[in-house]
Amino acid sequence: GAVVSQHPSRVICKSGTSVKIECRSLDFQATTMFWYRQFPKKSLMLMATSNEGSKATYEQGVEKDKFLINHASLTLSTLTVTSAHPEDSSFYICSARRHGLNEQFFGPGTRLTVL
Amino acid sequence: AQTVTQSQPEMSVQEAETVTLSCTYDTSESDYYLFWYKQPPSRQMILVIRQEAYKQQNATENRFSVNFQKAAKSFSLKISDSQLGDAAMYFCAYRSAVSETSGSRLTFGEGTQLTVNP
Repeated sequence: GAVVSQHPSRVICKSGTSVKIECRSLDFQATTMFWYRQFPKKSLMLMATSNEGSKATYEQGVEKDKFLINHASLTLSTLTVTSAHPEDSSFYICSARRHGLNEQFFGPGTRLTVL
Repeated sequence: AQTVTQSQPEMSVQEAETVTLSCTYDTSESDYYLFWYKQPPSRQMILVIRQEAYKQQNATENRFSVNFQKAAKSFSLKISDSQLGDAAMYFCAYRSAVSETSGSRLTFGEGTQLTVNP
């Protein structure tokens, strides 16, 4: 149990376009989901925390209008990178926390390349 | 704010030998959780082991064990009988037990890249 999926696993887009990444908890309800960004050989950097039905809480320095997060249901959160630019190229990872459990379950990540 | 420090960017070990990865953290809280995650080349984050700060007994999971020193704020990971499949990036992470203040967020260290030599 406690499987988290991400879609797509890899996406290449042109500069200026928007890209949506989905994060789904497949076998549990996730009251909280997290979005991370990871550069090569670096640690995970938390971008935002989202609770179902409420606005996401963004970390300092993360542009809310650039990285739109929606957590419309207990099993789905989406991250939309708007007007993507080459500097947005990165590995994006989501995780989900099941209510009452003290650990996060991670998705397999999405590699975004902006040309 | 909590910080997590991993002072070893890279470590290597011979297959079947034992290796210890270091982690220190800084917090003013008394109740929290500590984790070690493994990230193999696939980039999938895998939970290796978890420690509750209120427990004095060190956590163990098969070949993986921790040395939790609360007063020293140290949380090292020992891997015994190292296997080729243990090669990965290892991250130490901290989570407050008070979810209202932190939203159950994880604070990660910078990671240690472990190489296992055959």
